[in-house]
Order: sequence, then structure tokens, then C-alpha cells
Amino acid sequence: QQQVRQSSQSLTVWEGETAILNCSYENSAFDYFPWYQQFPGEGPALLIAIRSVSDKKEDGRFTIFFNKREKNLSLHIKDSQPGDSATYFCAASLNSGTYQRFGTGTKLQVVP
Amino acid sequence: EAAVTQSPRSKVAVTGGKVTLSCHQTNNHDYMYWYRQDTGHGLRLIHYSYVADSTEKGDIPDGYKASRPSQENFSLILELASLSQTAVYFCASSADWGGSQDTQYFGPGTRLLVL
Repeated sequence: QQQVRQSSQSLTVWEGETAILNCSYENSAFDYFPWYQQFPGEGPALLIAIRSVSDKKEDGRFTIFFNKREKNLSLHIKDSQPGDSATYFCAASLNSGTYQRFGTGTKLQVVP
Repeated sequence: EAAVTQSPRSKVAVTGGKVTLSCHQTNNHDYMYWYRQDTGHGLRLIHYSYVADSTEKGDIPDGYKASRPSQENFSLILELASLSQTAVYFCASSADWGGSQDTQYFGPGTRLLVL
């Protein structure tokens, strides 16, 4: 049972556009949502994260928008660059008691 | 800087053979994890551990064993490798469960090909 879902397996945008990656979850008790970025040949690495008490988290060109009522969130990458081409994983954690759940990932390609 | 290393980085194994993948972390983290990554399936948790000498089953443990001889080291063992176990395997560590303590630090991965 997939507790964290990423609706798109892949996404292609032009350089300079805003890429929007979507994620939804099932368990309303999840309260911490990290996004990991993975480049080919490497392991995933934390990019940005949000707690459920917030509805927005911004870090440079990367912004998470969080909708607790709808149980979904999205990662916006503003002014996308070819160097942003990677696979992005949405994940979700409870406050304690069990391990983090990962979505299946969205492979982003930014075309120059 | 926190670090998770894996060995080997790639391996070719024969069907029915035994494979051991090793992971070492210098993060001083209690929690360690083994994932496999396949196209379309993302990261799937095989085994995890929160203390030395103890391991727990994740979501897809069948065909795999794990060993945690120390806080720093965590191994994944395929006793009888099968074609379906061809994948990229990642080790990760985290300080705890819950909140930012749950941020996982991943190793570079091991690419396993079973023939």
C-alpha cells in the first residue's frame, strides 16, 4: 500500500520555467515532509522539508506548498535550470514510532 | 560532514550465490536502513535497525537478511541471489524517527547485477 504518492513519474520543462512536482499522502498523522533530490549515480539527498504546522517553506528557488486538509503538497522549482534535472522523492514521517515513507519519485528533465 | 559509505559500488553475482553488501556510517546515528531502487517503484525499504545486534523487517524483506554488528556497520545479505534481485541498493542512516531527526543520509548506492 503506497502511503505517499507522486502523481507523475516524469516531468519535462523548459529552462526558466517553474517546475511543479506533486505529492499526496494517506495518513493524516504524518507531520514532517522532506523532499530528496537524486542525481544519476548518486544517493538521494535532502533538498527541503516542511512540517505540517506550516503551509509554505521556501529555500531559494525551491518552495514547498502544503495543504493539510487535502493531504497534498507540491514542490515548486522556480527558474528551472538544466542542473536541476534529477529525480525528486517526496517523503513523509510521523512524529515517532515508525519509519519514513517515500513516494515513487518524479524524474525531472529541464531542457535548455 | 555526515557520511555513509557502501561497498562494493557494483557487483555481478551468479544466480544462487551469496552476496553481501556492506554499509558504514560516521554520523553516530542509531537508525540504519537498506533500500532497493527499481524504475517505477522508487525506494523500497528492505530492512532497518535502530540498535546494534538487532534488525527489523521493512516492506520487502523476503530473500534478504540483515546484520548490524555495531552502530557504524550494517550489512545486507542475499543468501541465494536471484535474477529479480538485480537492482540498485542504498544504505541510509538517521538520528531518530520523527521530525527533522528523521532526515535520512544516503550512501552512493551499490549496483547489483545477478546473472
